[in-house]
Amino acid sequence: DQQVKQNSPSLSVQEGRISILNCDYTNSMFDYFLWYKKYPAEGPTFLISISSIKDKNEDGRFTVFLNKSAKHLSLHIVPSQPGDSAVYFCAASALANSKLTFGKGITLSVRP
Amino acid sequence: GAGVSQSPSNKVTEKGKDVELRCDPISGHTALYWYRQSLGQGLEFLIYFQGNSAPDKSGLPSDRFSAERTGGSVSTLTIQRTQQEDSAVYLCASRRATGGAEGYTFGSGTRLTVV
Repeated sequence: DQQVKQNSPSLSVQEGRISILNCDYTNSMFDYFLWYKKYPAEGPTFLISISSIKDKNEDGRFTVFLNKSAKHLSLHIVPSQPGDSAVYFCAASALANSKLTFGKGITLSVRP
Repeated sequence: GAGVSQSPSNKVTEKGKDVELRCDPISGHTALYWYRQSLGQGLEFLIYFQGNSAPDKSGLPSDRFSAERTGGSVSTLTIQRTQQEDSAVYLCASRRATGGAEGYTFGSGTRLTVV
């Protein structure tokens, strides 16, 4: 049973446009959500996070939105750049346990 | 070191053989995690070490898998009698005791291929 779901395996956007990456979760105990970025042959690197007490967190070109009632979060990248092309993983954890549960990832391609 | 180091970076083994994968965490990081990523799948939790506490082994897929962490530093993941379904990228991550989840630092992984 997948507790963190990234239903779209890939996304292609034009440079300069907005990229919207979606993630859904089923476990109501999750209260901390993160996005990781992964390039080929490298480990995932932390990108941005959000606590369940917030509905938005912004860091430069990256914004994460959380809709707790829908158990849905999204990552917005604007403007998208070719260097953003990578696999993006959504992850979640419960406060009492920092073990992360990851989604399958989405491959973002930003076209020049 | 500056980052999490994993070795080997690639390993090809014959079905039925045992393999050992090594992880050197960042110095001072007390928490260490093993995950694996099979083809087309997300990162699957395997095992978690925190200081001197008993490890959380809840993610180990079978009793062929085991891990140890010596001296609170280096960790070895051992897979006995490897099967083709064990083929995956095995990722290690470490974290400071007081770090939040964003404090995870991952290594580059070991790509295991069982033939």
